[in-house]
Amino acid sequence: AQSVSQHNHHVILSEAASLELGCNYSYGGTVNLFWYVQYPGQHLQLLLKYFSGDPLVKGIKGFEAEFIKSKFSFNLRKPSVQWSDTAEYFCAVNEAAGNKLTFGGGTRVLVKP
Amino acid sequence: EPEVTQTPSHQVTQMGQEVILRCVPISNHLYFYWYRQILGQKVEFLVSFYNNEISEKSEIFDDQFSVERPDGSNFTLKIRSTKLEDSAMYFCAGFGRDTGELFFGEGSRLTVL
Repeated sequence: AQSVSQHNHHVILSEAASLELGCNYSYGGTVNLFWYVQYPGQHLQLLLKYFSGDPLVKGIKGFEAEFIKSKFSFNLRKPSVQWSDTAEYFCAVNEAAGNKLTFGGGTRVLVKP
Repeated sequence: EPEVTQTPSHQVTQMGQEVILRCVPISNHLYFYWYRQILGQKVEFLVSFYNNEISEKSEIFDDQFSVERPDGSNFTLKIRSTKLEDSAMYFCAGFGRDTGELFFGEGSRLTVL
């Protein structure tokens, strides 16, 4: 069975700081990888996804993630955060298109103005 | 941009009562899902639905839960006899074949007293 772990539960940083959120998954086969964001009081929105090809994926709002197959990792990065990036971030995987997503525990990010 | 819409946005119910949560997925989606998120915890898969039947369900999805798509548009989650531990945010999602991503609704917050 798949599992997804996010190492940081809470991250607090100042505006303009760089952000990196860790995500590791356990599954030996081919996976699709996703990062979702949940702003306070809102629904889950897709930030970016990886299916195949270039392991460095660029998403919306200046976010990017790098798939490192040998490390079973898909870390999310943003070079310079803004106050509006305050949200909870979820890493998720599935085995194939249309299959259920397995989510990590989420990382709450608070950006101080 | 097409949306997944959920009703009600918030429901308060007494323990033992039946609850029906409704979802209107995006029209060309074929796979549908229910997830839940207990406050402060991870997003958990409940059930997936394809071609008018359940394709996969989790351990959480016991006999108290059922899903149906009664009229080809609405997708409902019924909890027959609610328990305190059913208090959570319930998210409906649809799978977009064009993009390979899950589109989530804004969620229905269920509070069981």
